[in-house]
Amino acid sequence: KQEVTQIPAALSVPEGENLVLNCSFTDSAIYNLQWFRQDPGKGLTSLLLIQSSQREQTSGRLNASLDKSSGRSTLYIAASQPGDSATYLCDPTDRGSTLGRLYFGRGTQLTVWP
Amino acid sequence: DVKVTQSSRYLVKRTGEKVFLECVQDMDHENMFWYRQDPGLGLRLIYFSYDVKMKEKGDIPEGYSVSREKKERFSLILESASTNQTSMYLCASSLLGSGGGGDTQYFGPGTRLTVL
Repeated sequence: KQEVTQIPAALSVPEGENLVLNCSFTDSAIYNLQWFRQDPGKGLTSLLLIQSSQREQTSGRLNASLDKSSGRSTLYIAASQPGDSATYLCDPTDRGSTLGRLYFGRGTQLTVWP
Repeated sequence: DVKVTQSSRYLVKRTGEKVFLECVQDMDHENMFWYRQDPGLGLRLIYFSYDVKMKEKGDIPEGYSVSREKKERFSLILESASTNQTSMYLCASSLLGSGGGGDTQYFGPGTRLTVL
């Protein structure tokens, strides 16, 4: 069974900092990997999806990299803002499953203060 | 715009009641999922479905059942609610991926269920 670990568990930074959130997973035979954000008491919003054949994806101030062979993904957030405060979840998807089942880590809880 | 809706944002039920949580997606997605989220435990998969009338158990199916009579609707049923089922319940859907995996999952806003 896939095990997902996210480091750090929590991060509190001043506005403007560049951030690195780390994710590791035990089974490298993944189909793709998604990064989600979750605001308190709400559902998850997909931020980036990286296919297993890709090395990285970018969306605005966000950049996610994937090293499938070593079982690692990193989410970079440039010039952080208070609106980035949320929990960030990394989720690899099974290969060979028609359902694209996700395996959730505990997430990184990010607080960006003005 | 992609949309997954859940029937209630907040729900309070009594022990022993039968509870229905409804999820509807308007994206013609094949795959649908039910998760529960608890502090310190993260999200855990309860059940999923990849087609109408098809269902598969996730990691914690005990005490739950599901129904998928139509492609757009996936219902989670608590046959006899218990206090340990107090949780945030999240529904999600995704397309069937071309490579045998799923595409981006879209989540509903969640239902916070309290069982007294």
